[in-house]
Amino acid sequence: EAGVAQSPRYKIIEKRQSVAFWCNPISGHATLYWYQQILGQGPKLLIQFQNNGVVDDSQLPKDRFSAERLKGVDSTLKIQPAKLEDSAVYLCASSVGQVEEAFFGQGTRLTVV
Amino acid sequence: GIQVEQSPPDLILQEGANSTLRCNFSDSVNNLQWFHQNPWGQLINLFYIPSGTKQNGRLSATTVATERYSLLYISSSQTTDSGVYFCAVGPLGTSYGKLTFGQGTILTVHP
Repeated sequence: EAGVAQSPRYKIIEKRQSVAFWCNPISGHATLYWYQQILGQGPKLLIQFQNNGVVDDSQLPKDRFSAERLKGVDSTLKIQPAKLEDSAVYLCASSVGQVEEAFFGQGTRLTVV
Repeated sequence: GIQVEQSPPDLILQEGANSTLRCNFSDSVNNLQWFHQNPWGQLINLFYIPSGTKQNGRLSATTVATERYSLLYISSSQTTDSGVYFCAVGPLGTSYGKLTFGQGTILTVHP
C-alpha cells in the first residue's frame, strides 16, 4: 500500500515570498492533517480535514497560512508571505477516519532566508 | 491542553544493549502512538497503544492508562534504531490523529 506522498521534499525561499506544499493521502483515507515541526521539537497540529471540510483549524495562523482539500483527496498548504520563523518541516498525515491511527508522510523541509 | 513529557531526552547505547523510554501524559486519552523519526525525517508508526501491551520483534510497549504513562522497550539495540522516538497522545473526545507530541527522546546506538 502506498504511503502518504508529499512534495516538494525541500524548499528554500526568501522571507515575504509565498510557498505551497502538496499532500496526497493514503487511498481511502478520509481524514487528513497538516503538522508543523520546528527543529528540536515534536510536530504541532495546524489543521484537520474530514473529506473536503475543515474540522479544526484553531492552530493555523490564518493571517499567512491557508489550506484546502477541494475534492476530498489531495491537499495543499500555502504560506503567504513567509517569515523566518516558518522554517520547519511540514508533515501531512492521514487516517481512514477520525477514530483510527494516523500515518505520516516524509514531510517538506522549508527554509526561509 | 494536555501535556506530554518524555524521558530521557537523550540516550546513548552500545549495540546490543536494552533501553526503556518513558512517556507521561497529563490527562485521559483515547489514542497513544509511538513513532520513530529516522534521519530523513520520516515518522514511522511503531505502536498504536492507548492501553495494554504490544510487541513487535525487538520492540514492545506498555501503556497504563489509569496511571497516565507509557513505556517503550527496545531490546538488543542496533545502529539502525538511532533516531528520535516520539510519544503522541490524543485526548478523550478528539480525533485520533489530533495528536499532541512530546519533545522526543534522541537515541544514538554506537557499533
